Amino acid sequence: AQSVSQHNHHVILSEAASLELGCNYSYGGTVNLFWYVQYPGQHLQLLLKYFSGDPLVKGIKGFEAEFIKSKFSFNLRKPSVQWSDTAEYFCAVNDGGSTLGRLYFGRGTQLTVWP
Amino acid sequence: EAGVVQSPRYKIIEKKQPVAFWCNPISGHNTLYWYRQNLGQGPELLIRYENEEAVDDSQLPKDRFSAERLKGVDSTLKIQPAELGDSAVYLCASSPPRGGAKNIQYFGAGTRLSVL
Repeated sequence: AQSVSQHNHHVILSEAASLELGCNYSYGGTVNLFWYVQYPGQHLQLLLKYFSGDPLVKGIKGFEAEFIKSKFSFNLRKPSVQWSDTAEYFCAVNDGGSTLGRLYFGRGTQLTVWP
Repeated sequence: EAGVVQSPRYKIIEKKQPVAFWCNPISGHNTLYWYRQNLGQGPELLIRYENEEAVDDSQLPKDRFSAERLKGVDSTLKIQPAELGDSAVYLCASSPPRGGAKNIQYFGAGTRLSVL
């Protein structure tokens, strides 16, 4: 089974600071990679995804992520955060094996942005 | 377009009582998922349906949990009897039938269960 590690459980930043959230997964085969975001009181929403092709993917609200296959990583970045980015961020992996369709989630990173 | 609809949003029950959660996926989405999210953790899959067939239920604790999706649209997840450790948020998700978009799962708001 897959395991997904998010190394930062809680990140606190001031507005305009740069953000990088780490995500590593364990599966060595073909994977689909996702970042989901959950704003306070709202449901999980897709932020961005990687299926194939350019390993640098861009998502909504200025977020981007880079897939580095050799490092089994899919880190999330944003050059300048805003107060409205305060939310919980989940990295998720979907592998192409027998558990096709199952998303494996990390435990999440709570991001707090101070105005 | 309506998203994934779940009800109730909150449920408080005493241990050993039964409880049921309902989910209506996005129209046209043939794949439906139930996840459980414990406090401080990411969601974990309980069961996945392709239409009315449960194709991945290996993580469902079958001694007390059951699920159904009789007509391949809405679904019910039941716990009987509930235990203290079942306190969690139960999430439903759905995905469309074809192509790369099939891998994108859309989540409902969840049902927060508290077992006392």
